[in-house]
Amino acid sequence: GENVEQHPSTLSVQEGDSAVIKCTYSDSASNYFPWYKQELGKGPQLIIDIRSNVGEKKDQRIAVTLNKTAKHFSLHITETQPEDSAVYFCAAKGWRGLTGGGNKLTFGTGTQLKVEL
Amino acid sequence: NAGVTQTPKFQVLKTGQSMTLQCAQDMNHEYMSWYRQDPGMGLRLIHYSVGAGITDQGEVPNGYNVSRSTTEDFPLRLLSAAPSQTSVYFCASSLSGLGPGPFFGPGTRLTVL
Repeated sequence: GENVEQHPSTLSVQEGDSAVIKCTYSDSASNYFPWYKQELGKGPQLIIDIRSNVGEKKDQRIAVTLNKTAKHFSLHITETQPEDSAVYFCAAKGWRGLTGGGNKLTFGTGTQLKVEL
Repeated sequence: NAGVTQTPKFQVLKTGQSMTLQCAQDMNHEYMSWYRQDPGMGLRLIHYSVGAGITDQGEVPNGYNVSRSTTEDFPLRLLSAAPSQTSVYFCASSLSGLGPGPFFGPGTRLTVL
């Protein structure tokens, strides 16, 4: 099955600096890669996603890049603010056939981002 | 739209008790799923449904049961609660299996004594 590895597990940056979180995946059938932000006591919130036919996607201060050949994708947050402090999860999904789990989403283990003043 | 709603927010059970975690969505999404989140384990899929009347097992289905009688509702039943089922449970939904999403509810924190 699919395996998604996420690094680092914790990341501390100064306010205004950039933060980068990296993920790798194992299944070349994966073609959809969402990123979630989870604040304490809340459910994961979809913040950006990218499909395998796109190399980069940007939404204000966040961007995601995808390298299909190397099977890795990254989340970039610029001009970090204290409210960016949260746990971030990457995930991968693709059609794996009726006996391969269908369109199941596989998550990374999360990155605790702390933005310090 | 209220999005994905879950009840209750918190629940404490004794070993052997049964209960149902409720999940509803008002976005007319076909796909619904249940995840549990444990420290160091990330989010793990329990059961999912691709439409009313269709359900299937995820990664960790043992001890849980689901049904999908309507598009809106996807309850998760704990048949005989065990301490190993202490976790935070999230329901999620998406329009299809191809994304975007899924979109998660606020979660239910369950403690089994």
